[in-house]
Amino acid sequence: DVKVTQSSRYLVKRTGEKVFLECVQDMDHENMFWYRQDPGLGLRLIYFSYDVKMKEKGDIPEGYSVSREKKERFSLILESASTNQTSMYLCASRTLRRGTYNEQFFGPGTRLTVL
Amino acid sequence: QKEVEQDPGPLSVPEGAIVSLNCTYSNSAFQYFMWYRQYSRKGPELLMYTYSSGNKEDGRFTAQVDKSSKYISLFIRDSQPSDSATYLCAITPGTASKLTFGTGTRLQVTL
Repeated sequence: DVKVTQSSRYLVKRTGEKVFLECVQDMDHENMFWYRQDPGLGLRLIYFSYDVKMKEKGDIPEGYSVSREKKERFSLILESASTNQTSMYLCASRTLRRGTYNEQFFGPGTRLTVL
Repeated sequence: QKEVEQDPGPLSVPEGAIVSLNCTYSNSAFQYFMWYRQYSRKGPELLMYTYSSGNKEDGRFTAQVDKSSKYISLFIRDSQPSDSATYLCAITPGTASKLTFGTGTRLQVTL
């Protein structure tokens, strides 16, 4: 079974703090993704990574950065947390095989509250 | 206009009912259509996917895509309390592309 784990289920931080969210997958997947999920807005892509040391901006990258130094690990960084970054953060990974749909596997999510 | 629109619900049905969940999308380039299920306090998990138009059945679940009207549906027959979850549609133009998600429909199946 594919397993995607996230470092924390719940996190409370103060405005201005630097926040690290960690994601690890154990299936040697090439692609990894960070989403945030908000009521009425659904899942929105923040950043994704095609492979190690590669990153691409998603739809809402402002205020975030990412790091992928190892294939299994993808980190989301909030350089200076703000209250509008209070959200559920979901990590996902997938492999890439030609000629077939490649499922994204999601972690359990981190609910971040910024006070 | 959003790329994909989904009625947020919530939808409450009695056990045994047939449930219809729907999404509409705007870009005809999309070729893959997915339904994800998300239980409370969990990440989404893929329920089923369909390539191009047509129907796909898996047990009590049927996914339907009508590309001419840009409309996708998920039908749940004989709904069970364990089907209570948020259902997210997702679309993508290709197997290596990003997904675009609907906002999700919250379903409650009552005894």
